[in-house]
Amino acid sequence: KAGVTQTPRYLIKTRGQQVTLSCSPISGHRSVSWYQQTPGQGLQFLFEYFSETQRNKGNFPGRFSGRQFSNSRSEMNVSTLELGDSALYLCASSFLRDGLMNTEAFFGQGTRLTVV
Amino acid sequence: SQQGEEDPQALSIQEGENATMNCSYKTSINNLQWYRQNSGRGLVHLILIRSNEREKHSGRLRVTLDTSKKSSSLLITASRAADTASYFCLYYTGGFKTIFGAGTRLFVKA
Repeated sequence: KAGVTQTPRYLIKTRGQQVTLSCSPISGHRSVSWYQQTPGQGLQFLFEYFSETQRNKGNFPGRFSGRQFSNSRSEMNVSTLELGDSALYLCASSFLRDGLMNTEAFFGQGTRLTVV
Repeated sequence: SQQGEEDPQALSIQEGENATMNCSYKTSINNLQWYRQNSGRGLVHLILIRSNEREKHSGRLRVTLDTSKKSSSLLITASRAADTASYFCLYYTGGFKTIFGAGTRLFVKA
């Protein structure tokens, strides 16, 4: 069974640009969550999608957005990039039998975004 | 910050020794999970403990949960150099929001 796939693995962007990151969950998993990891703030929750619906969002500005497609693949977008957006972006998928967060999450290897 | 608290922040031990790390949380939970991360890469799930469980074992790992104190601990027995990694606890608040602990960086010296 293929794991969670994130693309691209590495990305360098300039301030002011926008970026789209992709996450393909494990087959059959309907929940996808996104996280930002930085040395200063640690792992921060961005948002969670389940069956194409965003169920919760972390404390990030509106420049951070996401969506989930009918095949459960998810994308996150960051517009008007700032230097502080440089981070490792991780996504995780879960098989939620009853839609509740009661099972383990499987993480991708992440996309390392550098904003210059 | 949306982080839970974890201590110690860093831990350095000799191979063969035990390592204990702790996680404190603030909300009621359905379950609490522990993950390992090697060198800033993806996280690997280690163990999940439900709110009605007090202790759980998996190989050299032992996790305890004290819901009255809102805390959990992860014990790694007979540590190996390959256990060198960062360890995080994770739990969910109501409303599907995930909270991660700040993490403990474990260094096991051969």
